[in-house]
Amino acid sequence: GAVVSQHPSRVICKSGTSVKIECRSLDFQATTMFWYRQFPKQSLMLMATSNEGSKATYEQGVEKDKFLINHASLTLSTLTVTSAHPEDSSFYICSAKLGQTHFSYEQYFGPGTRLTVT
Amino acid sequence: QKEVEQNSGPLSVPEGAIASLNCTYSDRGSQSFFWYRQYSGKSPELIMFIYSNGDKEDGRFTAQLNKASQYVSLLIRDSQPSDSATYLCAVNRGFGNEKLTFGTGTRLTIIP
Repeated sequence: GAVVSQHPSRVICKSGTSVKIECRSLDFQATTMFWYRQFPKQSLMLMATSNEGSKATYEQGVEKDKFLINHASLTLSTLTVTSAHPEDSSFYICSAKLGQTHFSYEQYFGPGTRLTVT
Repeated sequence: QKEVEQNSGPLSVPEGAIASLNCTYSDRGSQSFFWYRQYSGKSPELIMFIYSNGDKEDGRFTAQLNKASQYVSLLIRDSQPSDSATYLCAVNRGFGNEKLTFGTGTRLTIIP
C-alpha cells in the first residue's frame, strides 16, 4: 500500500517561534499533497492543497503567510507554522494522492504531528 | 446543512454482530466516497472507497452507495473489539478535484 510519513510526530515549541513539519510519500510519487488540521473531538479540516512545483492553494480562512507550504519534490511537502501561538496547537496531518501514473482518487494519510505551543 | 453528515454516536455493537454506519452528503456533484477509520490520537486509515452505485465488499467490510438518495453506508460484519474507533465518511468531486470533505465521524464501540 501507499505509505506516507511525517516528521516530527510530536513537537512542543514556545509562542512566537516557527515550526516545520515534513510530509513524505515513501513508495510513490505524489504530485498532490494535502494538509489538514484536527482539533480535539472534531473532524479533519482541510487547510491547503499542495501541488509539486507550484504555489499551494489555501482554504478560506487559512492564513497563507502564517502556514507556509512548500512542495519542492514529488515526495516531499513541508508545512511551516510561523510565529506559532497557543491557538495553533493542534494535530496536523498530511495526505498524499497517488501520482498521474495511477488512476486513483484515494488519499493516504501520514501519521500526524501533534503541535503544542506553550 | 452540513456537507457531509454522520451520526456522531456513540454506536455500541456486540462483538460478532453487524455494525452499520451511515452518511449523507449534500453535493450532488460528489463522485468518490471514502470510509476512514481513526483510532484515538492517530491519523485516519483508509478502509473502503466506492465510486459506483451499489455494494462493494472487502473482507468484513461492505460499502453501499446510493447517489439518488445521496447516501453512503459502511457495514462491518463479525465486529471485533479492534473495530472500536471513529469512522469518518469523506467525499470528493472525483479526478481533478480531489479535495476531501469529511463528516464529523461516528464513534463505534464493540462490546466484548
